[in-house]
Amino acid sequence: SYVLTQPPSVSVAPGQTARITCGGNNIGSKSVHWYQQKPGQAPVLVVYDDSDRPSGIPERFSGSNSGNTATLTISRVEAGDEADYYCQVWDSSSDLYVVFGGGTKLTVL
Amino acid sequence: QVQLQESGPGLVKPSQTLSLTCTVSGGSISSGGYYWSWIRQHPGKGLEWIGYIYYSGSTYYNPSLKSRVTISVDTSKNQFSLKLSSVTAADTAVYYCAGLGYYDSRYDYWGQGTLVTVSS
Repeated sequence: SYVLTQPPSVSVAPGQTARITCGGNNIGSKSVHWYQQKPGQAPVLVVYDDSDRPSGIPERFSGSNSGNTATLTISRVEAGDEADYYCQVWDSSSDLYVVFGGGTKLTVL
Repeated sequence: QVQLQESGPGLVKPSQTLSLTCTVSGGSISSGGYYWSWIRQHPGKGLEWIGYIYYSGSTYYNPSLKSRVTISVDTSKNQFSLKLSSVTAADTAVYYCAGLGYYDSRYDYWGQGTLVTVSS
């Protein structure tokens, strides 16, 4: 089945840029979605289809996807961005249709 | 705005069947725009897809859970349900219901999640 690999943790100072990667075999050929999950809450979609933002999500959140790596970029990081972030794809080539990455804990220093 | 709400027992005994229901409001489960999904999250861990159902009744399950999982839909009540049989402590988790876009394969809608503990 398809595997998505994320770094367990990323740390960044307030005001800096955080980049969270999601690796997968030829992931650039798939649509990647990103979710933010704060403690005790359900995940929230922050980027879809590689680089689009749902309404209400700040422009500071952006995404890219090419080759074997998709990236979620958070500019001008704020304390409120501290959360777990998950990438997700839909994989029709296997019987595990919905695949999540293992998640990345973003710590704002 | 579509909203989802999980309901069911928070405590299940080992070897029994875990049963949860998700009630969808603000939209019809029969609209055809979503696969209605169950996802779980073990304490302190990542998200695990359990499976989903289309309003027509077509189901798709995670191969690792397939032998124990049944997802069903009741369009008259705008609900869908999860049954997980022969549970063990390893099934203790927060269970989310969610709507996966039929065309765009992203989770636009999530329930708040419900913690199910397997313990005698």
